[in-house]
Amino acid sequence: GENVEQHPSTLSVQEGDSAVIKCTYSDSASNYFPWYKQELGKGPQLIIDIRSNVGEKKDQRIAVTLNKTAKHFSLHITETQPEDSAVYFCAARRPRGQNFVFGPGTRLSVLP
Amino acid sequence: SQTIHQWPATLVQPVGSPLSLECTVEGTSNPNLYWYRQAAGRGLQLLFYSVGIGQISSEVPQNLSASRPQDRQFILSSKKLLLSDSGFYLCAWSPISGGPFRGTDTQYFGPGTRLTVL
Repeated sequence: GENVEQHPSTLSVQEGDSAVIKCTYSDSASNYFPWYKQELGKGPQLIIDIRSNVGEKKDQRIAVTLNKTAKHFSLHITETQPEDSAVYFCAARRPRGQNFVFGPGTRLSVLP
Repeated sequence: SQTIHQWPATLVQPVGSPLSLECTVEGTSNPNLYWYRQAAGRGLQLLFYSVGIGQISSEVPQNLSASRPQDRQFILSSKKLLLSDSGFYLCAWSPISGGPFRGTDTQYFGPGTRLTVL
């Protein structure tokens, strides 16, 4: 089955710097990759996603890149702000699959 | 627009007591529904998913069970809680779509229920 690894497990950056979180997946058939942000005590919220037919997607300060050959995808946050501090989860889903496989999460701290 | 509700928001129960957590989705029809558990500081563990009324698939054997009595209602239950059942329980839904990306629509999570078993 699918396995998703996520690195780093914790990340601290200065406000205004960029943050990058990387995930690797094992099943080459996976074709959909969402990223979630979870604030303390709340449910995860979708922040960006990418399908396997594109290599990059951007939404304001957030971007996701996908390398299908290497089977990895990354979340890029530019001009980080303290409110970006949260746990970020990546996930992968196979075609026609009902379930997502989540990475273990990255705790991002943006220091003012 | 679609919304997902979970209740209660927090729950403190003694070991050996029963459990019932409820999740409802509004604004959509025939969604896939999911129950996850998240231990403190940990990732998301899929417990159950359902593709339709009365259809439940279990991912992890344990003393929990799930039911889907109505299209947009998903219930997580236990007859006797264990200390290890403590955690943050999340319900999620996923729309079903056709086309080339059938089955690849994302999941939307509810606000969660914090369960503490003492």
